[in-house]
Amino acid sequence: EVQLLESGGGLVQPGGSLRLSCAASGFTFSTYAMNWVRQAPGEGLEWVSTISSGSGTTYYADSVKGRFTISRDNSKNTLFLQMNSLRAEDTAIYYCAKMSAYLGSYPLDYWGQGTLVTVSS
Amino acid sequence: EIVMTQSPATLSVSPGERATLSCRASQSVSSNLAWYQQKPGQAPRLLISGASTRATGIPARFSGSGSGTEFTLTISSLQSEDFAVYYCQQYNNWPPWTFGQGTKVEIK
Repeated sequence: EVQLLESGGGLVQPGGSLRLSCAASGFTFSTYAMNWVRQAPGEGLEWVSTISSGSGTTYYADSVKGRFTISRDNSKNTLFLQMNSLRAEDTAIYYCAKMSAYLGSYPLDYWGQGTLVTVSS
Repeated sequence: EIVMTQSPATLSVSPGERATLSCRASQSVSSNLAWYQQKPGQAPRLLISGASTRATGIPARFSGSGSGTEFTLTISSLQSEDFAVYYCQQYNNWPPWTFGQGTKVEIK
């Protein structure tokens, strides 16, 4: 059974940093691209970032480019999102999601339960 | 960036009735279109990929159709557990991978 378990969310002041983690199990983690998708309170889904199966390729939404860094440790089956210079508009539930192949034109076939990030003074 | 537009924003349907949800892309996405279901307090769940292929374990009452720029998700006979928000997403032209704003299916 595929499981994705996010952690690391919490309350942070504007300008602060936070590192999210996503522990994966039930599939060959190193074979699949992984993603972060967020959802602001009462809003829709927004793609944030994607990393290829081997970490060689990363993509970011314009709204987080230069502030967020996605990475992965295939030896530990874990996905990360380092978030710096956080803003109030980054407040959201952050979901870890597995792409159904190594990268590209594929849907997100499994999602974690999410971790809440609140940016507020 | 491809913009995905869903309609209507809210759909009021009685249990047992048919629901038809629409999704339009600002340019062709071929058949690289997915539908997700999200219930309150839960993560999204993949329903349909490739515009019309049901994901594992998804009941046959869910069907998807369309290609290019116009897509439809049909729920043939709404069950109580189907009342939720539904999102379409294109994965043809990326980055970014883009979602529609969602359609809420509520009980009439």
